[in-house]
This record gives sequence, C-alpha cells and structure tokens, in this order.
Amino acid sequence: AAGVIQSPRHLIKEKRETATLKCYPIPRHDTVYWYQQGPGQDPQFLISFYEKMQSDKGSIPDRFSAQQFSDYHSELNMSSLELGDSALYFCASSPLAVGADGYTFGSGTRLTVV
Amino acid sequence: QQQVKQSPQSLIVQKGGISIINCAYENTAFDYFPWYQQFPGKGPALLIAIRPDVSEKKEGRFTISFNKSAKQFSLHIMDSQPGDSATYFCAASLSNSGYALNFGKGTSLLVTP
Repeated sequence: AAGVIQSPRHLIKEKRETATLKCYPIPRHDTVYWYQQGPGQDPQFLISFYEKMQSDKGSIPDRFSAQQFSDYHSELNMSSLELGDSALYFCASSPLAVGADGYTFGSGTRLTVV
Repeated sequence: QQQVKQSPQSLIVQKGGISIINCAYENTAFDYFPWYQQFPGKGPALLIAIRPDVSEKKEGRFTISFNKSAKQFSLHIMDSQPGDSATYFCAASLSNSGYALNFGKGTSLLVTP
C-alpha cells in the first residue's frame, strides 16, 4: 500500500540558511499535517491543510511557512534556521471524512542545523 | 503547556507480562484518544484508538481503558513481546479542529526475553 512520502530523509543546514521539506500524501488523502519532534520529545503539531487551505495552526514559528499544492503535496519552508530547529519533521495525511483513524505518518525528515 | 500527561517515562517488562501505560488529559472537549507506537527513526504508527462513548476497546493484545469522569485512559499490552519494545505515545484531539494531535511525552518500553 502507498505510504506518505517525505523528502529529503536527511538534511544538514547551517544557521540562518533556509530549508524546504516536502510531503507527498497517500492518494485521495485530502488533509496534511506537519509535526516537529525534538530529540527525546513528543511530536508537536505545527500546521495542517485541508483541500489546499490551511485548516489549523499549532506552535509553528513565524520563520516557518507551509502550503499545500493542487496535487495535494505539501511543503514546509523554514527560514533563518536556528540550532533549536534541529529535529525530526513528520508529515501525516488522512482522508478527513474518515477522521483520525485514517492518520498515516511518513518516516520523517531529520533536519540538522549546524 | 502539555495537554496530555503520560506515565511512566520508561517501562521494563518481562516477555509474557502485561505492560501498562497511563495518560491523563484536562480538556474535556477532546473526543478522540489514540495510541501510537514509534520505532527509532520511524514515524508514529497508530495502534488503537478510542472515543469517549466507550469505556474499553480491545484489538488483539492491545486494550485501551477509558475513564471519562477521571479524564484518564490507559494502554494495556498483554503477553508483551520483545518486538513490542518501542516508544508509545498517547494523544488526544478534537474532531472539530481537524484532528491535530496533542501527544503525551511518550513511554519507552523495553520487553526483556
């Protein structure tokens, strides 16, 4: 079965650089969620999109932005990177009509800021 | 502010034993309570979930017990196996907010042979 695809798997950036993370949801999933998981921490909700519109916003810094495109893939753009942005970034997708039981997480992008 | 409190932080259980992880929440509007299993370097995977209209749900070796009045829920893993060794997260969400998940801090479970 198709899964949520995230790219790249690993990314190393220097402080103050920018990074773009990509997420390709499961086909026919209309909702995408982004989470940030620091070392040894629980995942923190950043932002979500439903049908290409932002649907909910969590603890996403102003330096970060995201969007969902017409093919439903989503990109998380991170600027002015800080050491504290080093984390695993997960994308999840679901068909909203099914609800959270349909939630599927990708394998994540490990961002390291040096 | 952590909206879901999870304990214990770590747990060691012998093979064949019962693993019990507990969570508590404050927001009575939460209406969906899932448990996720996460292996190192992987994304969380849904194990089992419950809604407040039932007090218990069982799927195979995994059981959720839910106490609405106490605002607590727990995961029981029966006949624990070494392959169950992973980090377990409880979570809570609101269906009317698009199901953004509020996670607990996680429990690192080690099942010894």
